[in-house]
Amino acid sequence: DAGVTQSPTHLIKTRGQQVTLRCSPKSGHDTVSWYQQALGQGPQFIFQYYEEEERQRGNFPDRFSGHQFPNYSSELNVNALLLGDSALYLCASSLVEGRNPEQYFGPGTRLTVT
Amino acid sequence: AQSVTQPDIHITVSEGASLELRCNYSYGATPYLFWYVQSPGQGLQLLLKYFSGDTLVQGIKGFEAEFKRSQSSFNLRKPSVHWSDAAEYFCAVGVSRVRDMRFGAGTRLTVKP
Repeated sequence: DAGVTQSPTHLIKTRGQQVTLRCSPKSGHDTVSWYQQALGQGPQFIFQYYEEEERQRGNFPDRFSGHQFPNYSSELNVNALLLGDSALYLCASSLVEGRNPEQYFGPGTRLTVT
Repeated sequence: AQSVTQPDIHITVSEGASLELRCNYSYGATPYLFWYVQSPGQGLQLLLKYFSGDTLVQGIKGFEAEFKRSQSSFNLRKPSVHWSDAAEYFCAVGVSRVRDMRFGAGTRLTVKP
C-alpha cells in the first residue's frame, strides 16, 4: 500500500519563475491538502482539494494555485516566485468522510528560490 | 482564531530520562488534536491523535498524550527516551474534521547519551 508520494524531491528556481509540484495521495484517499514549511517553522496550510475543487484555503496569495485530477492526484503551482517562497512543501491526503480523518503526509518537496 | 502554542523551542534530555513536550491550543470547541514527529529532511509522521473519549491517548513508539480541556493543553509524554527519538515534534489542531490543520512552531528534541 503506497503512501503519499511527492515529486520532485528537490527543486531550484530563480525569482520570477513558475514552479509545479506534484502529489499522489495514499491509496483510497480522496482529499489532498498542501502545506508550506519554512525553515524552523511549523507547516502552514495553503489549501485543500476535494472532488477536483479547492474547498478550503489558508492565508496565501493568488500566486499559489492548485489542481486535483480525477485520479485524486494533485498539483501545486506557484507563479512569480519570491525568495520567501523557499520552503519544504508538504502534501497530505485524507478521506473526506470516515472514522479517522487524520492526514497522512508525504516526504515533501524542497524548493529553493535564488 | 485557532492557534497552537508550543512553548519550548528546544529541549535536551538524557537517554533513558522521561520526556514531556507542552502544547496549548486556542479553539472555540473541542478540537481534533495531533502530535507529529519529523526527522531531518523527512515528512511528518503521526504519533497519536485525540478526537473524543478517553483523554489519555496512546501512540506509536511508546508515546502518550493527555487532553486537558480546562487547561487547553495536549502534552506529549514518554517515560524513557531513546536516542532515536531525537527529532522535531509538532502539535496540531484540526478544524472542521481536519479540513484545515494548524500547527505549532515545533519543539526540537535533543537526546544526550
